[in-house]
Amino acid sequence: AQKITQTQPGMFVQEKEAVTLDCTYDTSDQSYGLFWYKQPSSGEMIFLIYQGSYDEQNATEGRYSLNFQKARKSANLVISASQLGDSAMYFCAMREMNYGGSQGNLIFGKGTKLSVKP
Amino acid sequence: KAGVTQTPRYLIKTRGQQVTLSCSPISGHRSVSWYQQTPGQGLQFLFEYFSETQRNKGNFPGRFSGRQFSNSRSEMNVSTLELGDSALYLCASSFSGRAGGEQYFGPGTRLTVT
Repeated sequence: AQKITQTQPGMFVQEKEAVTLDCTYDTSDQSYGLFWYKQPSSGEMIFLIYQGSYDEQNATEGRYSLNFQKARKSANLVISASQLGDSAMYFCAMREMNYGGSQGNLIFGKGTKLSVKP
Repeated sequence: KAGVTQTPRYLIKTRGQQVTLSCSPISGHRSVSWYQQTPGQGLQFLFEYFSETQRNKGNFPGRFSGRQFSNSRSEMNVSTLELGDSALYLCASSFSGRAGGEQYFGPGTRLTVT
């Protein structure tokens, strides 16, 4: 069965420093997508970054990068130069490709609460 | 481009009542998914609609149902509300391409059942 594990319930980071949020996943499928979302206290889920299982390069989006280690089934999020506005819950999610090529649903981890200190 | 909108944003209902939540996807997106978020269970998938058809369903009782209209707008209904249904209900839309298609979420509807 699909599973996402985020082992860090909470993390602290000093403003302007880099931080890594851990995520491991479990799937028997060969084709899947990995996502990171940010959820501020307002509740909205904000898409940050995506990595496909066949992508050879690690995904990057501005200050966000995804450290994808397929053999270890690991998809850690790296946030460089942390800002106060980065304080939020961060969720790792996975989606397998359904038969027929359609999208499956997202499976989420329990999340990591990141607090950025000034 | 306007984002995903959900109405209402907040709702208070009594046990036994029913409730309908609405979601308008991003223009051009044909897939709408619903998720329930609670402190105990986290984010759980409810169902997905694509072109007015339910394409995927999570492990929730039949009290939870939904539908999608021809303009891709979707509604979710919960009948005979229970205290445990108190949650943030999130709707997400996508164009529905490959597994890598991004899902964009709305701000959610916070339902409180008393």
